[in-house]
Amino acid sequence: DADVTQTPRNRITKTGKRIMLECSQTKGHDRMYWYRQDPGLGLRLIYYSFDVKDINKGEISDGYSVSRQAQAKFSLSLESAIPNQTALYFCATSESPGRHEQFFGPGTRLTVL
Amino acid sequence: KQEVTQIPAALSVPEGENLVLNCSFTDSAIYNLQWFRQDPGKGLTSLLLIQSSQREQTSGRLNASLDKSSGRSTLYIAASQPGDSATYLCAFDRGSTLGRLYFGRGTQLTVWP
Repeated sequence: DADVTQTPRNRITKTGKRIMLECSQTKGHDRMYWYRQDPGLGLRLIYYSFDVKDINKGEISDGYSVSRQAQAKFSLSLESAIPNQTALYFCATSESPGRHEQFFGPGTRLTVL
Repeated sequence: KQEVTQIPAALSVPEGENLVLNCSFTDSAIYNLQWFRQDPGKGLTSLLLIQSSQREQTSGRLNASLDKSSGRSTLYIAASQPGDSATYLCAFDRGSTLGRLYFGRGTQLTVWP
């Protein structure tokens, strides 16, 4: 079984809809991250969390919110989706303290029409 | 602003060649550097992590080196195989307590039989 899982894997939605992307991990890591990947732009950090009580904005947090429901679960929400949020979204985890090596989920491909 | 440049952006070679992928960065405060592999439609797989006190890491046919003074890392792939075809990404963190990664845009590698 994969250590970091994401649901759904693919989602097509319409402008203005609320969308939630979920991430679960069995690695026992404290730190979790949400990134988005756009063609030609590489991965950019949206939000990150160091533990259940800790939430921090990344470089592109506008239009997104997150919830850390448990050590193993970190959800990303788009309150009102817009077309330029069409992208590939990745969840990642890392140890704390530790090697900072990050482990990624398989990604969610989101299309906003 | 941290910038990570990967050269070349794309590379196509016949099977059996030894390859060098380059990653350069402008941030002198780099701490750890990580190389990833991304297959189409899939997540990122961690290949090698070079920690702060290290200069290189090896795994099988892969060898990665890090020269902080020159702001460069190289990923060496020996005896390339068609199964090595993927996009290779480098990313670094700045240590501290953040652990967030700064990514390059990747090198798309195709190894043909």
